[in-house]
Amino acid sequence: NAGVTQTPKFQVLKTGQSMTLQCAQDMNHEYMSWYRQDPGMGLRLIHYSVGAGITDQGEVPNGYNVSRSTTEDFPLRLLSAAPSQTSVYFCASSRGVNTGELFFGEGSRLTVL
Amino acid sequence: GESVGLHLPTLSVQEGDNSIINCAYSNSASDYFIWYKQESGKGPQFIIDIRSNMDKRQGQRVTVLLNKTVKHLSLQIAATQPGDSAVYFCAENNNAGNMLTFGGGTRLMVKP
Repeated sequence: NAGVTQTPKFQVLKTGQSMTLQCAQDMNHEYMSWYRQDPGMGLRLIHYSVGAGITDQGEVPNGYNVSRSTTEDFPLRLLSAAPSQTSVYFCASSRGVNTGELFFGEGSRLTVL
Repeated sequence: GESVGLHLPTLSVQEGDNSIINCAYSNSASDYFIWYKQESGKGPQFIIDIRSNMDKRQGQRVTVLLNKTVKHLSLQIAATQPGDSAVYFCAENNNAGNMLTFGGGTRLMVKP
């Protein structure tokens, strides 16, 4: 099992550009989520999904879109990148909503110039 | 507001000593808490969890203590090793169970 796979690992964007961070898991987990991590801060939840076809907003959803067309994939889209979106992004999955045992990917470091 | 926080941003311990990392929470209705370890350049890794109907839970070299009276939990690491050097986060699962709220993290540094 590969676990949770995120691509790309590094990305540099210019302000206003759009891009998609990919996330895939091979554990058949129902729950998937995206977090961002800024220096000296904990992780903040952007969006999450409790199953295919279902998504919901987290703590900091503005400027991001998600979709969940399959159980395996949960891409995160930046519609018009801003410098404030410079961060490290983590995708995570779990068996269900009632467990705190999240499996995280290795992260995607995004810089917006 | 409801929050999960940490007392100390950095903890330095001698190899072989025990480490204690603290965390405070403010939502008295919180009923599930989790500790994560994050090594440099990696994603967080689950360590141990505890539900509010328990005061203590033990794992391999780790113990989590929950004091609901003062809304405090701690992570104890026995015989700390260099491989324990990392940032440790406590997290709280909200009542709906759909979201984890993370604290700011404590960096544990192990001196040889």
